[in-house]
Amino acid sequence: NAGVTQTPKFQVLKTGQSMTLQCAQDMNHEYMSWYRQDPGMGLRLIHYSVGAGITDQGEVPNGYNVSRSTTEDFPLRLLSAAPSQTSVYFCASSSTGLVPQHFGDGTRLSIL
Amino acid sequence: EDKVVQSPLSLVVHEGDTVTLNCSYEVTNFRSLLWYKQEKKAPTFLFMLTSSGIEKKSGRLSSILDKKELFSILNITATQTGDSAVYLCAAHSYNQGGKLIFGQGTELSVKP
Repeated sequence: NAGVTQTPKFQVLKTGQSMTLQCAQDMNHEYMSWYRQDPGMGLRLIHYSVGAGITDQGEVPNGYNVSRSTTEDFPLRLLSAAPSQTSVYFCASSSTGLVPQHFGDGTRLSIL
Repeated sequence: EDKVVQSPLSLVVHEGDTVTLNCSYEVTNFRSLLWYKQEKKAPTFLFMLTSSGIEKKSGRLSSILDKKELFSILNITATQTGDSAVYLCAAHSYNQGGKLIFGQGTELSVKP
């Protein structure tokens, strides 16, 4: 099915490890964003991109890097994992700005 | 500081009941108000509201925005067990490239 695909679905890391969460969309959307969802706090914007080669910080960018080399892909990198980054991560895309039209199914990440 | 507050945080009703979910916001450079439904995984888009007093409807769901009092409500009539989900409200700002500020969500449980 067309849409936003996130991998992996689950991941457990040790403190200090690095990893990349993958996000791909096949709808040719210019706008893509990463959110984290924590209990009682709703979704918070980490980083976003308004097109290939253009990224910017959201509300909670510390500890994360992104790049956008193609329209389709928007990976999120954790540089040195910390327990505070335990969360569910959602990637979203849109053709009409930063209002997410489509979300991926999420990546549940646990940092020990 | 921009914020969105939803109430109640959780709600249990029986099939056939009507429910009203509340969302209040304090956001600079407000643009629009959005509602999403989140079941097991990814949030799905329900409504975008930009004008005060104009009700949007989709089947048994409806929503309205009051830009003077800074709140929105989501109504669900004749609830069904399939309406059980977390309902997310988000305020869309012109700031920071058009970021969304999400509320904590309301968890609705509809009992048979």
